[in-house]
This record gives sequence, C-alpha cells and structure tokens, in this order.
Amino acid sequence: NAGVTQTPKFQVLKTGQSMTLQCAQDMNHNSMYWYRQDPGMGLRLIYYSASEGTTDKGEVPNGYNVSRLNKREFSLRLESAAPSQTSVYFCASSADFLYEQYFGPGTRLTVT
Amino acid sequence: GEDVEQSLFLSVREGDSSVINCTYTDSSSTYLYWYKQEPGAGLQLLTYIFSNMDMKQDQRLTVLLNKKDKHLSLRIADTQTGDSAIYFCAESIGGGTSYGKLTFGQGTILTVHP
Repeated sequence: NAGVTQTPKFQVLKTGQSMTLQCAQDMNHNSMYWYRQDPGMGLRLIYYSASEGTTDKGEVPNGYNVSRLNKREFSLRLESAAPSQTSVYFCASSADFLYEQYFGPGTRLTVT
Repeated sequence: GEDVEQSLFLSVREGDSSVINCTYTDSSSTYLYWYKQEPGAGLQLLTYIFSNMDMKQDQRLTVLLNKKDKHLSLRIADTQTGDSAIYFCAESIGGGTSYGKLTFGQGTILTVHP
C-alpha cells in the first residue's frame, strides 16, 4: 500500500515548456487535489476532483489544467511554464470530499 | 472568507512542551487539522478535531479548540529532536462554495534544541 505517489520528484523547465505532473493513489479514495507550496505561504489549492469524472478550480488555477484519468490518477499539466510556477507541488487524496487528506511526497519544479 | 494564521517560528528545549497556535476566521469550519512536514517530505496528518469538540488527546499530542476566539492549539508533550519540522494548521468548511476544501496556515517552524 504505497498511499499517494507522485512523479517526477524533481523537474527543471525552461520558460514556455510544457509538462505533466502525475499523481496516483491506491487507497480507493474518491477525492483528489493538487496544491502548490511556496515559502512562507502554506499550501494553496490549484484544482481538485471531488469524485471521478469531476474537476473544479481551487484558489490559484491560472496556468494549469487537470485530468482525472480514472479513480486512481489525477494529473496536473502546465501548458506554458512560467518562472512564477516555480514551486513544490503536492497531490493529496481523501476518502470523500470532507474527509482528512493524505499527501504525496511532492514534486519540486523550477522554471528558468 | 477563510484565513488561517500561525506564528512562523517556535524554538524549545528537548523535553519541554511545545505549544503551536493557530487562529482562523471562518466560523463555519467543520474540521480543523494539524499536519507535520519534515524537510524534503510531504505533509503527514498528525491529528484533527471536529468543530463541536473542545479538546482531543492522542498520546503526546493535545489539541485545544476555542470556538469563541476561533483559536486552535497543538501541544506536544516531552518534545524530542525528531519533532523538529514545520507544523501546518488547516481548516475545512462544511458548506457553501468552500465545501470540503482545506485552507492552510503559513506553517510554524518548530526547532527543538538538545
């Protein structure tokens, strides 16, 4: 039982490049989330998927898209990376929308 | 709107108790959480309290909730060097457009000195 896994662990992009961050959970959770963590700011919600087949914007969705591929997987895509997207990205899942969230180890992204 | 505030730093001696404080603004909070983040790692759920409770104890951890003052605290008894980490307070809202979403504080960096 691996919990929440994320790939890659580290990534460096040039401005304008695109990439997809992958997240998978093996806990049969209904809800999944993407956050970014910036120094001194806590975590901010980018997008979430309350259940398979639905996605909604969080607090800071601009510049990102998401896909809930199936119940296990929730990916985050940066279409044209910008230096302001340099951050640590965390995926999380919860059994249902109001239940406690379990986090993956994070992806450290640098955009130059 | 939701806003969660924490002090940024706390330094304690090994063996002492640590108290990490958090204030929140949304009175419709349903659950309040404490997460721990060790260097280079993800967030680990430590404990949570439902908003109709005043206190919850779990081994060395005690959570106190003062709903009137919208104040949440986490007390760690007999603090050890392995407790050095960033501690995040978070709230989730039980209704309205914020239903189910977590709002995090900035995190408190706890440093434990031998």
